[in-house]
Amino acid sequence: GEDVEQSLFLSVREGDSSVINCTYTDSSSTYLYWYKQEPGAGLQLLTYIFSNMDMKQDQRLTVLLNKKDKHLSLRIADTQTGDSAIYFCAESTPSGTYKYIFGTGTRLKVLA
Amino acid sequence: EPEVTQTPSHQVTQMGQEVILRCVPISNHLYFYWYRQILGQKVEFLVSFYNNEISEKSEIFDDQFSVERPDGSNFTLKIRSTKLEDSAMYFCASMHTSPGLAGVVGELFFGEGSRLTVL
Repeated sequence: GEDVEQSLFLSVREGDSSVINCTYTDSSSTYLYWYKQEPGAGLQLLTYIFSNMDMKQDQRLTVLLNKKDKHLSLRIADTQTGDSAIYFCAESTPSGTYKYIFGTGTRLKVLA
Repeated sequence: EPEVTQTPSHQVTQMGQEVILRCVPISNHLYFYWYRQILGQKVEFLVSFYNNEISEKSEIFDDQFSVERPDGSNFTLKIRSTKLEDSAMYFCASMHTSPGLAGVVGELFFGEGSRLTVL
């Protein structure tokens, strides 16, 4: 069945780059997403990539997609303390309900 | 900015009691979802709802669970007889248009979650 895997924790120093990795199983996914959850808040869409792309850049964010290995990564350049949050990788299934399959989330801690 | 709202933010209940979690999705959205996250585990899909009926449900969503959209604005999740393992954060989400249409990203908008603690 569909599955999304992420590591649970990442700690980086302020100003460094963060790379959060994700693997997924459903090769028919239309879009792959990164959601961000700040403390006490719901998940919020951060960025996404269409499955026929291999890279997308959006200001400090770079999403890389390796379809062959079913590997997705999110790179945050010049990481700031405000980037501390939980980052969820998700895929949407092209079945009728378009449910999203999420990973566990990666807790990013940015050290000053 | 429109948002998904959930109540209560935290509910503590005794095992065997009924619980209703409430959600007000964004008003022009058409697709509605409940997810849950047990502490330290994945955000798990429970159920999707479209056109006033359940469109898909997961194995978790057994006979103890039900959803309703009674009045065109609220979307509720009922757990008939809670178990200890139902303790989790429950997220409601809504979406305007599915990503099945070409060029549509299909952004899910989430509420802040309702934390359910079953004792």
